[in-house]
Amino acid sequence: SSELTQDPAVSVALGQTVRITCQGDSLRSYYASWYQQKPGQAPVLVIYGKNNRPSGIPDRFSGSSSGNTASLTITGAQAEDEADYYCNSRDSSGNHLKVFGTGTKVTVL
Amino acid sequence: EVQLVESGGGLIQPGGSLRLSCAASGFTVSSNYMSWVRQAPGKGLEWVSVIYSGGSTYYADSVKGRFTISRDNSKNTLYLQMNSLRAEDTAVYYCARELYYDFWSAWDYWGQGTLVTVSS
Repeated sequence: SSELTQDPAVSVALGQTVRITCQGDSLRSYYASWYQQKPGQAPVLVIYGKNNRPSGIPDRFSGSSSGNTASLTITGAQAEDEADYYCNSRDSSGNHLKVFGTGTKVTVL
Repeated sequence: EVQLVESGGGLIQPGGSLRLSCAASGFTVSSNYMSWVRQAPGKGLEWVSVIYSGGSTYYADSVKGRFTISRDNSKNTLYLQMNSLRAEDTAVYYCARELYYDFWSAWDYWGQGTLVTVSS
């Protein structure tokens, strides 16, 4: 099955921009979706499809994709954006399976 | 308002069985794709299984042959029957509604999770 690789941790100064990347072969065929998870809480969808935000997600969150890499960008990071972020896509083998990235811990300084 | 409420978690001995439930409100389970996703303590997210609106089911290799996903349309409830449980199945189990299109899929609503602990 496919694998999606993320940097374990990144930090960003309050109000600055941070980009989180997700790499994997499946991303050549499918768009990634991105989830934010805070301690003790369920994941929350923040980006899906080419670059779509669910209702209620601030427009400082955006997504992009190129080749085998998907990116989540937070422009003007806020303290409340400190969380774990996971990417996800379908398995590229066409077997209806899904795969999550390894997760990135975002710290807002 | 869409809501998903899991139940059925608990402490179970290795080799035992457990059935998780996910009661949905605000939408119809049978008209949607529904998944189970789990998270071991201190670890990342792992997709477990999906049931499509047409009834097809798929499983992660780690649970295939041991877990069964199903739904009860009359109760608008999703289930996960877990047999032959192992210590590595210890995790918080979430149910989630899946959006599915040609080149992407995503889970837009999640339950609060239910903890399954497999230990003697």
